[in-house]
Amino acid sequence: RKEVEQDPGPFNVPEGATVAFNCTYSNSASQSFFWYRQDCRKEPKLLMSVYSSGNEDGRFTAQLNRASQYISLLIRDSKLSDSATYLCVVKAMDSNYQLIWGAGTKLIIKP
Amino acid sequence: DGGITQSPKYLFRKEGQNVTLSCEQNLNHDAMYWYRQDPGQGLRLIYYSQIVNDFQKGDIAEGYSVSREKKESFPLTVTSAQKNPTAFYLCASGSNPHSGNTIYFGEGSWLTVV
Repeated sequence: RKEVEQDPGPFNVPEGATVAFNCTYSNSASQSFFWYRQDCRKEPKLLMSVYSSGNEDGRFTAQLNRASQYISLLIRDSKLSDSATYLCVVKAMDSNYQLIWGAGTKLIIKP
Repeated sequence: DGGITQSPKYLFRKEGQNVTLSCEQNLNHDAMYWYRQDPGQGLRLIYYSQIVNDFQKGDIAEGYSVSREKKESFPLTVTSAQKNPTAFYLCASGSNPHSGNTIYFGEGSWLTVV
């Protein structure tokens, strides 16, 4: 089992819709969680950190479920510019604090 | 401007050649990282350095070498021992890795073997 797993997609979603995807992690010692966005042939860019209480940034909401060991990303009122690959990242104290990357979920917003 | 600068953006290597990818940061970050990304794949850690003059192997260090003589610089050499080096290489930096902070990336370098 991979340490961090994501549905690769693609998720094909009409513009204006709400879309959500999850990321599961296997290490219960995981402490920090992040969502990155990666456009085609570009570097990943930090989208948001995921706090225990959840957090919201505009149309984006991230949540953490420690009991079931997953994090989620919800995008409301999706825009064409939201089309990208979304990478889930986990940091665990017992892995020398290294970041463990999911392979990403591809999102395509259609007009 | 503050940030992470990678060069060159595109590089072609002949079989048997060593090439060096440059990574410079002016963010005063202690930690620096090199990742490799293949098409449709996740990021794989090659090497990382948490402090000057120290670095550690990541998951796929074979065929690569690094140095960390200055805080700002973490060059990666792709040696001829790396049998399949064609990939997208990403350099990143971050503050104290023992904190909850994450990392930030340069724009990446595309390496192609010809």
